[in-house]
Amino acid sequence: QVQLQESGPGLVQPSETLSLTCGVSGYSISDGYYWGWIRQPPGKGLEWIGCIYHGGNTYYNPSLKSRITISVDTSKNQFSLKVNSVTAEDTAVYYCGRVGSGDASHFDYWGQGTLVTVSS
Amino acid sequence: QSALTQPPSASGTPGQRVTISCSGSSSNIGSNAVYWYQQLPGTAPKLVIYRNNERPSGVPDRFSASKSGTSASLAISGLRPEDEADYYCAVWDASLGGRVLFGGGTKLTVL
Repeated sequence: QVQLQESGPGLVQPSETLSLTCGVSGYSISDGYYWGWIRQPPGKGLEWIGCIYHGGNTYYNPSLKSRITISVDTSKNQFSLKVNSVTAEDTAVYYCGRVGSGDASHFDYWGQGTLVTVSS
Repeated sequence: QSALTQPPSASGTPGQRVTISCSGSSSNIGSNAVYWYQQLPGTAPKLVIYRNNERPSGVPDRFSASKSGTSASLAISGLRPEDEADYYCAVWDASLGGRVLFGGGTKLTVL
């Protein structure tokens, strides 16, 4: 059974960098699939952030592309998200997930999510 | 405002059949597969429909979906109290270099 777990600081200062890691168990990232990030501001809907393949190929949300980096560490079986120059609008529950055999909209496994608050 | 339009709310009584619509355009629903997610309160979303109308293992056959042109719909028959949740459609959109779009979500209430 594939399991994903997000980790990282729950509070980030405005203008700083938000950094999260998603640890994967039950499946080796090196064996394939894309792996991605989605976020959900409190009380609002879902927003796709982007995804990465184990070889490093990435797809980013054009509205966030200038501020985000998704990377993968196959030796640790994990992938990461960095969001630069954060503001209060980046406050959200951040989910990591595995992109299934369909296109990038196909998230078949999800982490439980982690709340990141941007505030001084 | 999302490029995928869903009604903000829907409701039904136990045993009823309810449908939730998702309206898009030729650059998304009109040319790519639609996915549906169920989000119970306080939990991560869960995939209930993939590739327009296929159900993942473990999802009851009470859940079905269809797509026609630039619109899609999710149907839940034999409504149960545990179906009360937020439902989101999702699709790949070819505009702006490509991105995943989520609908704004529909809150389903079981009366």
